[in-house]
Amino acid sequence: AQKITQTQPGMFVQEKEAVTLDCTYDTSDPSYGLFWYKQPSSGEMIFLIYQGSYDQQNATEGRYSLNFQKARKSANLVISASQLGDSAMYFCAMREAPGSARQLTFGSGTQLTVLP
Amino acid sequence: DTAVSQTPKYLVTQMGNDKSIKCEQNLGHDTMYWYKQDSKKFLKIMFSYNNKELIINETVPNRFSPKSPDKAHLNLHINSLELGDSAVYFCASSPDSSSYEQYFGPGTRLTVT
Repeated sequence: AQKITQTQPGMFVQEKEAVTLDCTYDTSDPSYGLFWYKQPSSGEMIFLIYQGSYDQQNATEGRYSLNFQKARKSANLVISASQLGDSAMYFCAMREAPGSARQLTFGSGTQLTVLP
Repeated sequence: DTAVSQTPKYLVTQMGNDKSIKCEQNLGHDTMYWYKQDSKKFLKIMFSYNNKELIINETVPNRFSPKSPDKAHLNLHINSLELGDSAVYFCASSPDSSSYEQYFGPGTRLTVT
């Protein structure tokens, strides 16, 4: 089964509007971390935001917030006031704790295009 | 200062050749990783080293051999390159193997012709 599912291969949003990128995950581990990364066309992976499974509050970093719904196993990324520079591929990722090794498992990504 | 650096950024080579990609981190982290991003943008873990010791080795052809001379470096050597090896390879590091956060390098785009 897919551990991380991003059901939106592509999204469009008008500049200055908010957009939500969906992410659902599957794990039986009580301790895990959820991440969002941005990959612009230049190719680098940029860390955006992190949510721990035991965190009570939703994570926020500037214009990024993570809508964490633990019972639904969803970790959607909300970008407020979209900017043209937000156009990029966005990856949701999870780190579980399988034994002593922890690795990131990535979703398939969502290509976000911000329209002027 | 670049936290996680990779060289080269681009690598174009012919089938059958042997090539290496180097990764260095100046964060003082104990754990380093190699990920492969294929043409469909899917990212998958390949290897992880903790303090120079291999801790994750996913199902990767044995033509791929990671080497960690010290905990700040994790190099990836690929023998007998094949067309299917064309991808972007990312190095990453984390403070230790139990940490959640990871920091990525800029990636190396490998093209095998």
